[in-house]
Amino acid sequence: KNEVEQSPQNLTAQEGEFITINCSYSVGISALHWLQQHPGGGIVSLFMLSSGKKKHGRLIATINIQEKHSSLHITASHPRDSAVYICAVRMDSNYQLIWGAGTKLIIKP
Amino acid sequence: GAGVSQTPSNKVTEKGKYVELRCDPISGHTALYWYRQSLGQGPEFLIYFQGTGAADDSGLPNDRFFAVRPEGSVSTLKIQRTERGDSAVYLCASSRAGTGYNEQFFGPGTRLTVL
Repeated sequence: KNEVEQSPQNLTAQEGEFITINCSYSVGISALHWLQQHPGGGIVSLFMLSSGKKKHGRLIATINIQEKHSSLHITASHPRDSAVYICAVRMDSNYQLIWGAGTKLIIKP
Repeated sequence: GAGVSQTPSNKVTEKGKYVELRCDPISGHTALYWYRQSLGQGPEFLIYFQGTGAADDSGLPNDRFFAVRPEGSVSTLKIQRTERGDSAVYLCASSRAGTGYNEQFFGPGTRLTVL
């Protein structure tokens, strides 16, 4: 069983839809990252969370430490949001990031 | 301000050759990380520097891989006797420090192709 699991693996939606991507983890963590990767592109950090909720523009990230679960939401989705979204956790015991497999999001116009 | 930069953006080499990949972290960031991402997979940790020293090189796959950060800023990942399986995107990230909740900022990556 992977220590970080994301769902869904693939998601296709229409422009304007509300998007939710989930991340569950099984280890003790000090922080959780949501990152975005465009095809052929580098990785961009969207959020780093250790508790609660963060919002940036149309993106919202939440984390429930007790349930070891985080969600990334995109409101009013747009085709330019199409990318792979990756959840990565930083363990309590060290600085390494453990990566989820990513969710490939396609937003159709 | 400037983000993490990596050069070259693309590198094509022949099997058996030596390559160097460079990472310029964000100024003032003491922690630097190298990751490797093979096609269709998530990034894989290679090595972590705190200042000039490699605090953890447990992710380096074998002794053909080596990385340095002599002045605690720029880092170079060196791969000897490249193999086709080394083909991947090599990502560099930096953060303010290695401990605590310090966000990692990623460079654009270097795409290495070994023919």
